[in-house]
Amino acid sequence: GQSLEQPSEVTAVEGAIVQINCTYQTSGFYGLSWYQQHDGGAPTFLSYNALDGLEETGRFSSFLSRSDSYGYLLLQELQMKDSASYFCAVRGSYMIYNQGGKLIFGQGTELSVKP
Amino acid sequence: DGGITQSPKYLFRKEGQNVTLSCEQNLNHDAMYWYRQDPGQGLRLIYYSQIVNDFQKGDIAEGYSVSREKKESFPLTVTSAQKNPTAFYLCASSTQYRSSYNSPLHFGNGTRLTVT
Repeated sequence: GQSLEQPSEVTAVEGAIVQINCTYQTSGFYGLSWYQQHDGGAPTFLSYNALDGLEETGRFSSFLSRSDSYGYLLLQELQMKDSASYFCAVRGSYMIYNQGGKLIFGQGTELSVKP
Repeated sequence: DGGITQSPKYLFRKEGQNVTLSCEQNLNHDAMYWYRQDPGQGLRLIYYSQIVNDFQKGDIAEGYSVSREKKESFPLTVTSAQKNPTAFYLCASSTQYRSSYNSPLHFGNGTRLTVT
């Protein structure tokens, strides 16, 4: 099966940089995704890494190291509106029956941005 | 505008009653999913469907049932067998994952179910 670990909460101040880590265990790997969810709202897709390295999208970047089964989401120039929960997710292995279509989420990291 | 519609936003039921949550999408997506979210928790997969007339159990399917008779619709029934049904339910869709490993999920705004 798949499992993901990420910190439960992180606090930072406006304008700062914060890194949210995610370690995963999977029997097959098809990329690491990140989603943002504001309180009570719908999760929205942020980024996807299939290969090692850094992917940058504006103030947000996501990094992947497949050899370490590790990735992180980097948020720069933090704004109050970035206060939300952030989830990493991996897709199930096609090699295992009934796993290939599943997207499995971590428990989420609640980011609080302070003035 | 294309999107996913979940209705109603809030739902209240008495214990012992079955209840059906609606999920409709007009994104022409093949795959649809149901997740459950409890306070302060991640998203746990209940059921998913990759194509019409086919669906698979997720990690917590017990006490739930689904149907996929139309591409646009994937209703979830929370049965009286579900021991702890009060939760936030999220429906999502994506393009067929086999066409691209990066098939991001598009989520609806959720239905908050309270059973007393």
